[in-house]
Amino acid sequence: DGGITQSPKYLFRKEGQNVTLSCEQNLNHDAMYWYRQDPGQGLRLIYYSQIVNDFQKGDIAEGYSVSREKKESFPLTVTSAQKNPTAFYLCASRILAGSGEQFFGPGTRLTVL
Amino acid sequence: GQQVMQIPQYQHVQEGEDFTTYCNSSTTLSNIQWYKQRPGGHPVFLIQLVKSGEVKKQKRLTFQFGEAKKNSSLHITATQTTDVGTYFCAANLNDYKLSFGAGTTVTVRA
Repeated sequence: DGGITQSPKYLFRKEGQNVTLSCEQNLNHDAMYWYRQDPGQGLRLIYYSQIVNDFQKGDIAEGYSVSREKKESFPLTVTSAQKNPTAFYLCASRILAGSGEQFFGPGTRLTVL
Repeated sequence: GQQVMQIPQYQHVQEGEDFTTYCNSSTTLSNIQWYKQRPGGHPVFLIQLVKSGEVKKQKRLTFQFGEAKKNSSLHITATQTTDVGTYFCAANLNDYKLSFGAGTTVTVRA
């Protein structure tokens, strides 16, 4: 059963702590993405990666970091430098060829107290 | 930043009625995608439009891409409660990135 998994579904952290959100895909997709979604807003791109060991900043990368050591994994770290980290975080992936359809994981809702 | 503007932000529809959501860009788009996100869920790809003036249908959903490739629309006929959710358009940018519109959130009155 192929797909994208994100864990946990809900995450609570104290202000000032770094937290890492996991994203794993077994679709053999080349590219992976992290988006942030706030109420009433669209999806804003944080980071993306087209290939292992390479990634690029999206529109709102400040306060976040990523790594891409394996094709199937693209973890996102929300650092204490992120001013307003409480949000819904979505991971997505796609093959580089073809229609460009992105497949999304179920998301992680992060609440910083 | 956001390159596509989507209107309306909210759409309250009586069950059985039709509605349309619009997506506009100031620049010519290579293609446009549409996604649906159910409440509490994640976005799911619906369709991609590539050609100028293209029209595609999926049952009660009709997608159009403008002649100038700067706008797109999604029209839903005979709205059902299963249509509830947020519909996003997304434009393909360079480097395999998508720029998402803010979405149209649809609620249905039974």
